[in-house]
Amino acid sequence: IVMTQTPLSLSVTAGQPASMSCKSSQSLLHNSGKTAWLLQKPGQPPQLLIYEISNRFSGVPERFSGSGSGTNFTLQISRVEAADVGVYYCMQHIEFPTLGQGTNLEIK
Amino acid sequence: EVQLVESGGGLVQPGGSLRLSCAASGFTFNDFWMNWVRQAPGRGLEWVANINQDGSESYYVDSVKGRFTISRDNSKNSVSLQMNSLRVEDTAVYYCVRHIDHWGQGTRVTVSS
Repeated sequence: IVMTQTPLSLSVTAGQPASMSCKSSQSLLHNSGKTAWLLQKPGQPPQLLIYEISNRFSGVPERFSGSGSGTNFTLQISRVEAADVGVYYCMQHIEFPTLGQGTNLEIK
Repeated sequence: EVQLVESGGGLVQPGGSLRLSCAASGFTFNDFWMNWVRQAPGRGLEWVANINQDGSESYYVDSVKGRFTISRDNSKNSVSLQMNSLRVEDTAVYYCVRHIDHWGQGTRVTVSS
């Protein structure tokens, strides 16, 4: 399953919302929504943000939200902060896990 | 607190072998699938291999099939990745991952002559 993310780069003013998308090459509808979003901050290992499409992982701020179904998934940040800078990856794990190319978020 | 500590990385010549290990603590190890994920310099993440709770099932990305072997020792709370016939393109930071939710700091593997 190929995961395709858009955009590849995103520049947002602090305090403004941000949105990024992920499209899977086949529907993930009937598999308990096994898609997730990870954030890799500069110089750090990735960390889990969202699992099963829309569930925030422990400690993840409420400004992060995930949505979607079928083949289209979205990660939204309601108000971007400096701490949110990094590369965001979507992934699926209904089969052997695959990840998107990543969306690089920077602050304007 | 969940902890995953990788070791075993280093510099190896093309065609050589390396064994990575991951020591896990802070959770019931044999309740979880375990994984290895890698990141080549300046590149994205690639899921390399995973293994189920009792070690009876394991899966690999196509590019490492027949060369890498994942294994686990539930008595020692550890998972390993035996890497043979290494290629320059295997150069990466290798992360040990519990399910999808906890990641180690990674160990660097460099394949170069």
